Amino acid sequence: QVQLVESGGGLVKPGGSLRLSCVASGFTFSDYYMSWARQAPGKGLEWISHISPSSHHIEFADSVKGRFTISRDNANNLLYLQMNSLRVEDTAVYYCAFPTREPLSWGQGTQVTVSS
Amino acid sequence: DVVMTQSPLSLPVTLGQPASISCRSSQSLVYSDGNIYLNWFQQRPGQSPRRLITKVSNRDSGVPDRFSGSGSGTDFTLKISRVEAEDVGVYYCMQGTHWPWTFGQGTKVEIK
Repeated sequence: QVQLVESGGGLVKPGGSLRLSCVASGFTFSDYYMSWARQAPGKGLEWISHISPSSHHIEFADSVKGRFTISRDNANNLLYLQMNSLRVEDTAVYYCAFPTREPLSWGQGTQVTVSS
Repeated sequence: DVVMTQSPLSLPVTLGQPASISCRSSQSLVYSDGNIYLNWFQQRPGQSPRRLITKVSNRDSGVPDRFSGSGSGTDFTLKISRVEAEDVGVYYCMQGTHWPWTFGQGTKVEIK
């Protein structure tokens, strides 16, 4: 069955960096757009980025543009989110999900806390 | 960005009674391929979102048939025909037509 497992979250100071990973299994990873979304504590959901199967098409929400990058390793079924210049307001649970327009499958999420 | 407006934000319901959640988009959600990428999710406390409905009215496998979705253009509705205890949680609509995809604020369903 489809499984998405995120890792890499943690506590980081404002201005710091983190790299999140998502390992996928149970489907042909290289066929699908993959996405990252997040949920701040007690808040709603925010879609932040997606990447095409070939990595040629990438989009970001304005809230993270210029600070976050997304990449993938199709050989190893891995999705990444490199987060730089982190802000307190980036504190959230980060989920990987697919397919992008109508996400059926979500990971369990990884907590990112940005605090001094 | 497309604004998704849900109502109500809180919905106390009696077990066995129907419930209805409205979702309005600030612009049409018809994509160039003719599809309307309007999804409904359920999120129980401490869990990841679970997709219930895709493309307005297509119920996902394993989702009880008491859940139904309808709508067109900019107005959409999720209905639960008879609320059960396991339906407690927050429900979100989400559009996947115009980037960035956006979610409604969420509707908290609780048992009276």
